[in-house]
Amino acid sequence: GNSVTQMEGPVTLSEEAFLTINCTYTATGYPSLFWYVQYPGEGLQLLLKATKADDKGSNKGFEATYRKETTSFHLEKGSVQVSDSAVYFCALRNTDKLIFGTGTRLQVFP
Amino acid sequence: KAGVTQTPRYLIKTRGQQVTLSCSPISGHRSVSWYQQTPGQGLQFLFEYFSETQRNKGNFPGRFSGRQFSNSRSEMNVSTLELGDSALYLCASSLAIGANTEAFFGQGTRLTVV
Repeated sequence: GNSVTQMEGPVTLSEEAFLTINCTYTATGYPSLFWYVQYPGEGLQLLLKATKADDKGSNKGFEATYRKETTSFHLEKGSVQVSDSAVYFCALRNTDKLIFGTGTRLQVFP
Repeated sequence: KAGVTQTPRYLIKTRGQQVTLSCSPISGHRSVSWYQQTPGQGLQFLFEYFSETQRNKGNFPGRFSGRQFSNSRSEMNVSTLELGDSALYLCASSLAIGANTEAFFGQGTRLTVV
């Protein structure tokens, strides 16, 4: 079946550090891949997406590349800010529902 | 353009009661999906509606039901509430259906069952 695996958190970084949050997936067919972010007390916000192999999604300094050969969609940012502190969810969508990973909490300290 | 609106934001109910949650999708969007978020189980799919028809249903008991109206607004209902139903219920709105379709979420309804 379809599934998403994310690295365990929390990830704790100092401001301006480099961020990587690992995400791998198992899927039949050709899913689209997404990263969502959830701030405390809020719903999910779509951060970026990629719809086919080798696509790179990017937004607000975050980026992720759809790697079919390694079934991965790792999230990266070159320089994190305190305001990036949130929970990040990797997700895939085949033909219907979104399937989410367990989420990775990011804490950025000044 | 207004986003996805969920009402109410917070709800406290007693075991055995029933509850109805509402979701207004982004204007022009015809697909609405519902998800349950809990610390233990994470984000789990409840059901998806498109043009007033339920297209998919997740692995939840029959106490969980939903519907979609002709204006694409959707409601979900939980009957005979249990303590374990306490969760954040999220509604997602999409323009259409399919793998490439982006889903936009509301702020959620926080349901507490006591």
